[in-house]
Amino acid sequence: ETGVTQSPTHLIKTRGQQVTLRCSSQSGHNTVSWYQQALGQGPQFIFQYYREEENGRGNFPPRFSGLQFPNYSSELNVNALELDDSALYLCASSEQGNTEAFFGQGTRLTVV
Amino acid sequence: DAKTTQPTSMDCAEGRAANLPCNHSTISGNEYVYWYRQIHSQGPQYIIHGLKNNETNEMASLIITEDRKSSTLILPHATLRDTAVYYCIVRVVRSGNTPLVFGKGTRLSVIA
Repeated sequence: ETGVTQSPTHLIKTRGQQVTLRCSSQSGHNTVSWYQQALGQGPQFIFQYYREEENGRGNFPPRFSGLQFPNYSSELNVNALELDDSALYLCASSEQGNTEAFFGQGTRLTVV
Repeated sequence: DAKTTQPTSMDCAEGRAANLPCNHSTISGNEYVYWYRQIHSQGPQYIIHGLKNNETNEMASLIITEDRKSSTLILPHATLRDTAVYYCIVRVVRSGNTPLVFGKGTRLSVIA
């Protein structure tokens, strides 16, 4: 158990729809990162939030957006879902300063 | 893109040491070597990290060559529960958090 919780655990959406995934970070951690993991691949960095501001982004289009709240929990929003968005979405929380990141169990998103 | 090269898969007998190699020949002076593992259907789990000295914790040992171009993760007495994908990651050090860049990792199978 890492103390990082994600919801929901599984989700099925239709192409073109929008989805919101949620992450509750470990107590005391002020940085949240989101990753996308396609089947058979390693996780790919989407973006990172620190003190409610995005402070790093990977090679993902603007329809991937996020929020971080004052309690450091976070949301990942994906608009106009595509079939290729089907993946495991992972949230990781950490403190500032390149400390170890603690991952949640992920949300398995299937787009049909 | 990941800056590390790892074998695709390895087998290890239960109770024996598992030695997982990683090549990072282009590592910079301010980059640490991190190891994570991902057990099936779970989020990645931090194992260990180091800069240039060998490191040991309750999970594993990390041996980094003197020129820092390669490293080996050692699980001293592998158990069936160590079956997982192991990721070697190099990560720059700066004041803010930098994302983890995952490759495809090494799939370790521990065999009874």
